Amino acid sequence: GNSVTQMEGPVTLSEEAFLTINCTYTATGYPSLFWYVQYPGEGLQLLLKATKADDKGSNKGFEATYRKETTSFHLEKGSVQVSDSAVYFCALSPYNTNAGKSTFGDGTTLTVKP
Amino acid sequence: DARVTQTPRHKVTEMGQEVTMRCQPILGHNTVFWYRQTMMQGLELLAYFRNRAPLDDSGMPKDRFSAEMPDATLATLKIQPSEPRDSAVYFCASGLGTASYEQYFGPGTRLTVT
Repeated sequence: GNSVTQMEGPVTLSEEAFLTINCTYTATGYPSLFWYVQYPGEGLQLLLKATKADDKGSNKGFEATYRKETTSFHLEKGSVQVSDSAVYFCALSPYNTNAGKSTFGDGTTLTVKP
Repeated sequence: DARVTQTPRHKVTEMGQEVTMRCQPILGHNTVFWYRQTMMQGLELLAYFRNRAPLDDSGMPKDRFSAEMPDATLATLKIQPSEPRDSAVYFCASGLGTASYEQYFGPGTRLTVT
C-alpha cells in the first residue's frame, strides 16, 4: 500500500535558519505530492504541491522538488520566521481508483525561536 | 474566498449521548473526507465520499459512527453512543477529485466526551 515517512520532530530552529524536513514515500505509479501546514487551533492548509517527477512546488518561501528516483519530497526554506512555527504534513494522492484519497505522514512540529 | 465550514466548533458532552457534527464543503467540490486527529493516533481518515456516495468508511468504528451526505452541501458525522475515547478534533475536508487532488480542510470540531 501507499505510505509516507516524515522526518521525526520536533524541530527547533532560530529565526533566519535554514529548514529541511525530509519526506519519503512509497506508492505505485506517479502520485501527486503535497505539503500541508497546520497552525495551532486550525485545520490543515495546502502549502505546496507537485504532480509529476522533477516538478518543484513553491509557496511563501518554501520549496519541495518531486524526486522520483529517490521517492522523496523534502521541504526546504532558506530563512525561517517565528510565524512559520506549525506542524508540517507530507502527503500523497495516487492516480488510481482511490485518486483523491490522500495518505499523510505523521507530521513534523517546527518551532522557530526569535 | 471559499472555505469549508464545520459546526459546532466545540462540543462537550457526556458519555452515552449522541453527537452530530456538520460540514459544508466548498461549492462545486465532489469529494468529502472526515478525519479524526488526536495526539496519540495523529490524523486518521474515517470516511470518504465522492459525488455523495460513500467510497470508503473502513476507518470508522461501524457500531457507533455513521457518516452521510444528505445533499451536496452538507455532510454529517454522527456518534451514538459517544465514549470518552472519542474525544478528538474532527476535520472535514473537500476536494475536486480531479487534477492534483489537493484537499481543503475545515477548522475542525473539538469534541470532549466526559
